[in-house]
Amino acid sequence: NAGVTQTPKFRVLKTGQSMTLLCAQDMNHEYMYWYRQDPGMGLRLIHYSVGEGTTAKGEVPDGYNVSRLKKQNFLLGLESAAPSQTSVYFCASAGAGTGLYEQYFGPGTRLTVT
Amino acid sequence: GQNIDQPTEMTATEGAIVQINCTYQTSGFNGLFWYQQHAGEAPTFLSYNVLDGLEEKGRFSSFLSRSKGYSYLLLKELQMKDSASYLCAVRAENSGGYQKVTFGTGTKLQVIP
Repeated sequence: NAGVTQTPKFRVLKTGQSMTLLCAQDMNHEYMYWYRQDPGMGLRLIHYSVGEGTTAKGEVPDGYNVSRLKKQNFLLGLESAAPSQTSVYFCASAGAGTGLYEQYFGPGTRLTVT
Repeated sequence: GQNIDQPTEMTATEGAIVQINCTYQTSGFNGLFWYQQHAGEAPTFLSYNVLDGLEEKGRFSSFLSRSKGYSYLLLKELQMKDSASYLCAVRAENSGGYQKVTFGTGTKLQVIP
């Protein structure tokens, strides 16, 4: 099992450019999440999904969009990148089967917007 | 909303014991997690508490007091590889039945020889 994978691992964008971050999980998890992590601010939830075809806003959704067309994939889009979106982005998934809902994280995407 | 507090940094000596505290305020509390995150890496799950008391897992133990909104992570026989950030995360159920998880800002632990 690969667990949770993210592509790309690194990216540099210019202000105004767009991009899509891909998250994939092979654990058949219902829940998927996108976080950003900035120094001194911890992990902040951008958007999440409780199942295929459903998405919802987290704490800091502005400037981002998401889609969950397939259960195993969760896409994060930046339509017009801004320097404030420079961050490390983590995807995570969680399954309801154990009752714990512990999250499994991907390796992260380091995004720099210039 | 949810408010989670934990110390920003701690230093401890190899072989010693360290306790990392976490206090929280939330409605609909439904469990508390501890995650470990090494620099430049993803967080990994360490422990979960939903009932009051101590959960032990090898060198790591986690304690919860729901009435006090308090948890701690206890690391025994510290090793250099334990140098990492430790994230406290609180799970709460919202009105829609969704299990929302909020992370604290993390405690950066440095283990010194």
